[in-house]
Amino acid sequence: DAGVTQSPTHLIKTRGQQVTLRCSPISGHKSVSWYQQVLGQGPQFIFQYYEKEERGRGNFPDRFSARQFPNYSSELNVNALLLGDSALYLCASSSRDLTGLNTEAFFGQGTRLTVV
Amino acid sequence: AQSVTQLDSQVPVFEEAPVELRCNYSSSVSVYLFWYVQYPNQGLQLLLKYLSGSTLVKGINGFEAEFNKSQTSFHLRKPSVHISDTAEYFCAVSLMIYNQGGKLIFGQGTELSVKP
Repeated sequence: DAGVTQSPTHLIKTRGQQVTLRCSPISGHKSVSWYQQVLGQGPQFIFQYYEKEERGRGNFPDRFSARQFPNYSSELNVNALLLGDSALYLCASSSRDLTGLNTEAFFGQGTRLTVV
Repeated sequence: AQSVTQLDSQVPVFEEAPVELRCNYSSSVSVYLFWYVQYPNQGLQLLLKYLSGSTLVKGINGFEAEFNKSQTSFHLRKPSVHISDTAEYFCAVSLMIYNQGGKLIFGQGTELSVKP
């Protein structure tokens, strides 16, 4: 079975540009979350989507946006890129148990974004 | 607010020696607890998780962790490490809140370096 897939794996952008990162969750998973991992730090939560609705947002500026499609894949968009946006962007998918709680997140390999 | 503190940023250890990676958390609500491992240039792989039940949790690759509610700790242990265990290890919590769970809060990570 395919795990969480992210594309592209690497990306180089110039300051001020816009970027779109893509994620396909594990089949059957309806929840997708995005994380930013700056070098040397733990991942920071950006967004969570469940059933195409935003269910959580981290402390990131409005330049960051995301959406989830009917097939549960997701895109993360970042506008007006800054040097500080250089990071590994991780996508995670999860399922929910009958109580509505997410019990485990499965991560993709990430997209390495470099802003120059 | 919730937070996770990994008490050691780097842990050097010789091959076949035991190791303990320490994790403390702070939360006003009940949480699930996780340990993830990240190998260079890769995403996160789940080592083990505590959802409920026995406080001693066994995971993959010979790792185990013990949940201590009174000390709000979730330390990771392995009785005998291998060179291949060299990686970054992250402790994380997610909130047990209906329809809001799934957001993972990570510690800063512990770099485990196993030397021959």
